[in-house]
Amino acid sequence: SQTIHQWPATLVQPVGSPLSLECTVEGTSNPNLYWYRQAAGRGLQLLFYSVGIGQISSEVPQNLSASRPQDRQFILSSKKLLLSDSGFYLCAWTRGSNQPQHFGDGTRLSIL
Amino acid sequence: GENVEQHPSTLSVQEGDSAVIKCTYSDSASNYFPWYKQELGKRPQLIIDIRSNVGEKKDQRIAVTLNKTAKHFSLHITETQPEDSAVYFCAASSGNTPLVFGKGTRLSVIA
Repeated sequence: SQTIHQWPATLVQPVGSPLSLECTVEGTSNPNLYWYRQAAGRGLQLLFYSVGIGQISSEVPQNLSASRPQDRQFILSSKKLLLSDSGFYLCAWTRGSNQPQHFGDGTRLSIL
Repeated sequence: GENVEQHPSTLSVQEGDSAVIKCTYSDSASNYFPWYKQELGKRPQLIIDIRSNVGEKKDQRIAVTLNKTAKHFSLHITETQPEDSAVYFCAASSGNTPLVFGKGTRLSVIA
């Protein structure tokens, strides 16, 4: 069966520090991968998605970036975090178009 | 692009009553409509989905209906229980684009 791993579960970072969140999927190949951010009590904001290695689509202009160095690995990064980057970051995957999308357990990021 | 509207934003029901959450979408090409349940502090979990070639789908106490002509779909939860309390999200996609989510409905089931 397929599983998705996301880490760390929680992270506290100072303003201006760098960020790296990692997500990996097991048990499938060539998944579509997604990064979402969710502010407290709010909806799901799509940040990036990828349909293949090295292919990244950005949905929202910001100081975040994403990379897909391997088929089942998706990384969310920032060179300098802002206070507004605080939130719950969720990675998700699907087999392809119109297939069920499954989320990782998320990373709760607090910026001080 | 696709736009998904979800109503109501909050819903309170008595235990044992039914709950209905409605969503409308704008892109007539959308053909996949999942529903997610998110408990406090947890990840969203897929609870049911429907494709445009089907008008209704049921799984125990949960059902989803789809009206392609009117471009709306609804989640029905019968015999609600306290553990049904959560935030529910609807979503839509046309296959070539990522899911577009509604803003969520906070359901409270009062014992």
